[in-house]
Amino acid sequence: NAGVTQTPKFQVLKTGQSMTLQCAQDMNHNSMYWYRQDPGMGLRLIYYSASEGTTDKGEVPNGYNVSRLNKREFSLRLESAAPSQTSVYFCASKPGTSLPSSGNTIYFGEGSWLTVV
Amino acid sequence: TQLLEQSPQFLSIQEGENLTVYCNSSSVFSSLQWYRQEPGEGPVLLVTVVTGGEVKKLKRLTFQFGDARKDSSLHITAAQPGDTGLYLCAGARWETSGSRLTFGEGTQLTVNP
Repeated sequence: NAGVTQTPKFQVLKTGQSMTLQCAQDMNHNSMYWYRQDPGMGLRLIYYSASEGTTDKGEVPNGYNVSRLNKREFSLRLESAAPSQTSVYFCASKPGTSLPSSGNTIYFGEGSWLTVV
Repeated sequence: TQLLEQSPQFLSIQEGENLTVYCNSSSVFSSLQWYRQEPGEGPVLLVTVVTGGEVKKLKRLTFQFGDARKDSSLHITAAQPGDTGLYLCAGARWETSGSRLTFGEGTQLTVNP
């Protein structure tokens, strides 16, 4: 069972370079999310897509763009990477657009480690 | 500003001890979830609590949602080394554009044999 798949797993970028983190889920989920995780900060929401065709900003959207390519795929783009974007990035998905619940669980990918030097 | 504050941030205990992790907020949430995360992996859902005052048990783990739905606690009885990990609470709220989860900073638990 693939679940939520993120690529790449590890990436080192130079300041100013651009890159796209790819995410795909095979569970036919409607909602997809991008989070970043930093020490002592928990997970912070960057962007989310409640359903195919919609995207919205989360808590920390500056410096990022997203594309909900289709129901399966939700990509995160860094146009001009900065050292402050060094982090672990998690993609997640959820079946429905309603609140998380026992029947509407969020599933996370394994994370993408990004270092900007 | 962290909307959800967890305490303690770090906890190192001996096998067999009991512990409690707290998750507090000034905001009301529709539901609250607890996750456990191991190194190199994404968070995995442990439980969802929805009703104020609700208590749920998962083997040696007891989760409680505050009456006002602003806080929660996780109590582990007789901790084992396999309980070691990062525990995250997350509050769910409904936004006009969809539902969102806000995470606490996490509690890193180490259970020593």
